[in-house]
Amino acid sequence: AQSVTQLGSHVSVSEGALVLLRCNYSSSVPPYLFWYVQYPNQGLQLLLKYTSAATLVKGINGFEAEFKKSETSFHLTKPSAHMSDAAEYFCAVSDRAAGNKLTFGGGTRVLVKP
Amino acid sequence: GAVVSQHPSRVICKSGTSVKIECRSLDFQATTMFWYRQFPKQSLMLMATSNEGSKATYEQGVEKDKFLINHASLTLSTLTVTSAHPEDSSFYICSARTTGTGPNEQFFGPGTRLTVL
Repeated sequence: AQSVTQLGSHVSVSEGALVLLRCNYSSSVPPYLFWYVQYPNQGLQLLLKYTSAATLVKGINGFEAEFKKSETSFHLTKPSAHMSDAAEYFCAVSDRAAGNKLTFGGGTRVLVKP
Repeated sequence: GAVVSQHPSRVICKSGTSVKIECRSLDFQATTMFWYRQFPKQSLMLMATSNEGSKATYEQGVEKDKFLINHASLTLSTLTVTSAHPEDSSFYICSARTTGTGPNEQFFGPGTRLTVL
């Protein structure tokens, strides 16, 4: 079974500061990994995805993530936080051996201080 | 492209009634749709996977007779919460995937907030 762990349920950053959201996964097969963002009372929007190509993945809104197999990690970063980045972020792994179901981490809520 | 809609966005119902939620893929054919449930300040939990023209596959612990899923066409799946009770109040989100999608990306709907009084 696959699992995803997001360290830190809440992260507070100042506007303009680095955003770092941590995600570790466990998978018995090479994984597909995703980061999604959710704004209040809305569905999920894909930020970026890792599909076994380049290990450094660039996404929308200035976010990027690096796949590190040795650390089983897929941390999400953004060099400079913007007020509009305040949202909930979910890391997910696709279970290719079980109908491509997504398993989500617990989520990290980002608060951006002015 | 790859837009998924849900209707209604919010619904309030009395205990004991049934509620139907629709999930539509607007600009692509969705061979597989997923239904998730999200409690406040929590992550998404997969309830079931539905493939067009076949019975849904439910996750362990999800009552299939309570949460009826129909995927009658390549653009529409419905979730019916039967005999709803207050504990069924939650945010329900669907997603859709099409065949040939390389990295198995799912496209998510905007969600439906169900409140059972």
